[in-house]
Amino acid sequence: EDQVTQSPEALRLQEGESSSLNCSYTVSGLRGLFWYRQDPGKGPEFLFTLYSAGEEKEKERLKATLTKKESFLHITAPKPEDSATYLCAVQGVRTALIFGKGTTLSVSS
Amino acid sequence: DGGITQSPKYLFRKEGQNVTLSCEQNLNHDAMYWYRQDPGQGLRLIYYSQIVNDFQKGDIAEGYSVSREKKESFPLTVTSAQKNPTAFYLCASSDTEYGYTFGSGTRLTVV
Repeated sequence: EDQVTQSPEALRLQEGESSSLNCSYTVSGLRGLFWYRQDPGKGPEFLFTLYSAGEEKEKERLKATLTKKESFLHITAPKPEDSATYLCAVQGVRTALIFGKGTTLSVSS
Repeated sequence: DGGITQSPKYLFRKEGQNVTLSCEQNLNHDAMYWYRQDPGQGLRLIYYSQIVNDFQKGDIAEGYSVSREKKESFPLTVTSAQKNPTAFYLCASSDTEYGYTFGSGTRLTVV
């Protein structure tokens, strides 16, 4: 059964304090791993797609990496505006994405 | 601008009442999806459609129904058979290569 587990559930950081979010997955025939950002009361916003182990992508203070079993979302020198829930999802043989429960990040100044 | 429009933003349902949530996209995407989001539960798949006039059940389809008569539209009906419908409902579409584009969601509350 396809499954996605994200950790930690919640993360509190001081502004400038770098950290990483984890996404462990089990999927039949990985076709892609996706990271989204979701602000309260809004729909998820696309961040990255990773397709194969060893792949990395960056956007501003965010960097996503992928191995055969997990993905990390590294946040470098975060700012309060990075506070949000970060969702990880995988696409396997089935077309629809399977989502994890998310990590809620709070960055204080 | 291309995107997905969900309406209404807030919806209140009385016990035993059917309600329909609207989802329209102008991205020319073939595939469309409905997810339900509850606090601490992440997104769970209700129904999805890869092409007009065809759709498949997701993991939590009981108490819901959909139609896909037009490429642009994928309405979701929450029937009286859904015993716990209070949740945040998200519609998405995709072109299979670049992930999903989500709407802004509909918050449904039972009163």
